[in-house]
Parts: sequence; C-alpha cells; structure tokens
Amino acid sequence: ELKVEQNPLFLSMQEGKNYTIYCNYSTTSDRLYWYRQDPGKSLESLFVLLSNGAVKQEGRLMASLDTKARLSTLHITAAVHDLSATYFCAVSPRRDMRFGAGTRLTVKP
Amino acid sequence: EPEVTQTPSHQVTQMGQEVILRCVPISNHLYFYWYRQILGQKVEFLVSFYNNEISEKSEIFDDQFSVERPDGSNFTLKIRSTKLEDSAMYFCASFQGAYYGYTFGSGTRLTVV
Repeated sequence: ELKVEQNPLFLSMQEGKNYTIYCNYSTTSDRLYWYRQDPGKSLESLFVLLSNGAVKQEGRLMASLDTKARLSTLHITAAVHDLSATYFCAVSPRRDMRFGAGTRLTVKP
Repeated sequence: EPEVTQTPSHQVTQMGQEVILRCVPISNHLYFYWYRQILGQKVEFLVSFYNNEISEKSEIFDDQFSVERPDGSNFTLKIRSTKLEDSAMYFCASFQGAYYGYTFGSGTRLTVV
C-alpha cells in the first residue's frame, strides 16, 4: 500500500525565517504534487513535479523532487503571514493521487 | 480559467438518508475523482472514474457509495444510507494530464445528524 508521509505535521515559524517541509513516499512515482489549503477551502495547486530532479519556484516557495530517494521538499524562504495554511503533498503513481497528512503552517509576526 | 463546480456547498442530512453530491468536471477532462476530508484530517481517495466506469476505488468506497455520470456532464456521488462518520468535506476533481495535474472543486460539506 502506498504511504505518503509528511513532516513536520505542525510548523510554527517567525516571519522572515526559512524552513523546509519534507514528503516521503513508499512506491515508485515520478509525479508529485503540492497543494495549499486554507481553512474551510478547497485545494489549490502549487506545484506539479514530473521528473527526477525537478525544481519549481513560485514566490517564496520552492519545491523539488528526488524520485530515487522518494522524497520531495517544499522550501519556504523568508516566510510571511500570508503563507499560513496547510500544505499537502500528493503522489500519483498511476492516475489517482494519494495525499500526505498535511503540514499546518503558522507564520507569526 | 476552467473550474470544477460542486453543488450543494453544504448539505445536512439525517442518518440513514440517501444523499447525492453533484459535480460538473472540466469539459475536456477524461478522469474524474471523489475525495473526502474529515474535518482537520488528511484528504482521502474514494474513487476514480474513466470512460464511464470506475477505474479504482479505495476501501472506504463500500457498497453504500456509488458514482455515475448520467448525462455526460454531471458526475455524482451517492451515499445510500448515511452514517454519522460520513460527515466530511467531499471534493470532486478532474484530471487532464500529468503536466496540468488535478483540478479540485470547492467541495461539499456533508453533515450527518
């Protein structure tokens, strides 16, 4: 059974600081997705990573994928309050997706 | 930008009643999905649907659940006899291709009382 593990599950950080969220998965997959969810809202696509070594950046967020290590990272640079949300990684070995448990990020002034 | 539309946004139902959750996927997408999220928890896969049939389902998707695409545009999830533990946010998603990923609807919050 595919397992997707995120850590940390909860992250409280100060504005301006950097941090990395990790996503490990248990089966071969070269497709990995990152989503953001605000409370009571739907899932907003952040990044689509489709190959080993893929790196994508959008604003203060950067995602990478290492398919050999079965690891993806979401790096936050100089966090701001607006980044407070829950971040999910999801792995798609076939044509469905399985999600990690999510990382609830709180950015404090 | 094309959207996945879900209705209703919130439904309250009595335990044991049947509910139908509706979704209109993006028109040129071929794969459709239902996921659920119990409050504050992870997003769980329920079922995938392709070419008018179920392509994969999770162990959550038991005989109480069914899906259909009755008219080529709507995609529905039916729960025959709701239980308290079915209370969750239900998300519909459609998929165009790996490059574009999955597009999620805004969700239906189902409350079983």
